[in-house]
Amino acid sequence: GENVEQHPSTLSVQEGDSAVIKCTYSDSASNYFPWYKQELGKRPQLIIDIRSNVGEKKDQRIAVTLNKTAKHFSLHITETQPEDSAVYFCAALTGANSKLTFGKGITLSVRP
Amino acid sequence: DAGVIQSPRHEVTEMGQEVTLRCKPISGHDYLFWYRQTMMRGLELLIYFNNNVPIDDSGMPEDRFSAKMPNASFSTLKIQPSEPRDSAVYFCASGPTGLLREQYFGPGTRLTVT
Repeated sequence: GENVEQHPSTLSVQEGDSAVIKCTYSDSASNYFPWYKQELGKRPQLIIDIRSNVGEKKDQRIAVTLNKTAKHFSLHITETQPEDSAVYFCAALTGANSKLTFGKGITLSVRP
Repeated sequence: DAGVIQSPRHEVTEMGQEVTLRCKPISGHDYLFWYRQTMMRGLELLIYFNNNVPIDDSGMPEDRFSAKMPNASFSTLKIQPSEPRDSAVYFCASGPTGLLREQYFGPGTRLTVT
């Protein structure tokens, strides 16, 4: 089955700097890659996603890039703000089923 | 749209008791998912339904866990009997049919089994 790993497990940046969170996946058949943000005590919320036929997608301060050859994808957050502090989960969906495999999550801390 | 609705939001019960968690998906969504989240194991998919039919229950930990979806607007996850190691946050999520397969999570039920 699919295996999704996230690196690093924690990340601390200064407000205003950029943050990059990386994920790797194992199944080359995976074709959909969402990113979720989970604030403390809240539900995971979808913030951006990408399909396997696209290399990059941007939405204001966040962007996701996908390298199918290397089987990794990354979340980029520019001009970080304290409210970006949260746990970020990447996930991968394989083939025709709808089973998302989640990474373990990365805790991002933005220092004011 | 109210989003995915879950009840109760918090549940405290004693070991051995039956626990029933409830979920109302977003109207029009064909997929419904039950997840469990703990610090140790992260976010785990327990079971998911498509058009009210269970598709994959390979994540259900034991026979003590069961899930039903009697209609398109309601699902339950039951634990009987409950054990302290079942303590976790249980999320329900729903999603539409389509290429993206995005999923939208409910607020979760925090279960504590003493």
